[in-house]
Amino acid sequence: GEDVEQSLFLSVREGDSSVINCTYTDSSSTYLYWYKQEPGAGLQLLTYIFSNMDMKQDQRLTVLLNKKDKHLSLRIADTQTGDSAIYFCAETLTGTASKLTFGTGTRLQVTL
Amino acid sequence: DVKVTQSSRYLVKRTGEKVFLECVQDMDHENMFWYRQDPGLGLRLIYFSYDVKMKEKGDIPEGYSVSREKKERFSLILESASTNQTSMYLCASSRGGQETQYFGPGTRLLVL
Repeated sequence: GEDVEQSLFLSVREGDSSVINCTYTDSSSTYLYWYKQEPGAGLQLLTYIFSNMDMKQDQRLTVLLNKKDKHLSLRIADTQTGDSAIYFCAETLTGTASKLTFGTGTRLQVTL
Repeated sequence: DVKVTQSSRYLVKRTGEKVFLECVQDMDHENMFWYRQDPGLGLRLIYFSYDVKMKEKGDIPEGYSVSREKKERFSLILESASTNQTSMYLCASSRGGQETQYFGPGTRLLVL
């Protein structure tokens, strides 16, 4: 079955690194995504990783995928107050043609 | 840039009313999706569509129906609104055969 889990809340100080974690249960994932939702807004695609990759870096964002443990993480370097938002991981499965299964979302709070 | 728009940002309706939520995308995307977002539950898929006049049930279709008469427009219908349908509703679209979904800003619906 499909199940994507995240912790609900993370608090970090400005300038520190944030690591948001996600676990999934279905091993037939093809792509895994990170979306960001700012207050009162829709979801914005941050980055994604294909399931045969281990790591992807894009400026301050680093995505790590451990397929054996079914664990995905998003690291934000030099976290800023503008990074405060809810972060969702999502997976798409082989044969489901564009359907995404989302995690519960992690609220990132950045403090001064 | 992909643009997904939703007809209302905020909506207040009474129990038993028929409610229409409209979503329009301007990128000629084949796939369109309706989700609801509730705290601690993440995004749950209500209905999706891969083509005009085509629809498929998502994970929580009960109490909802959809209409896709034109490629760019996907409507979510609450036939008889109930208080447990108070939620944030998000529309998304994606190109056929690709999983990356682009989201609208959301409609926050309150049913009294």
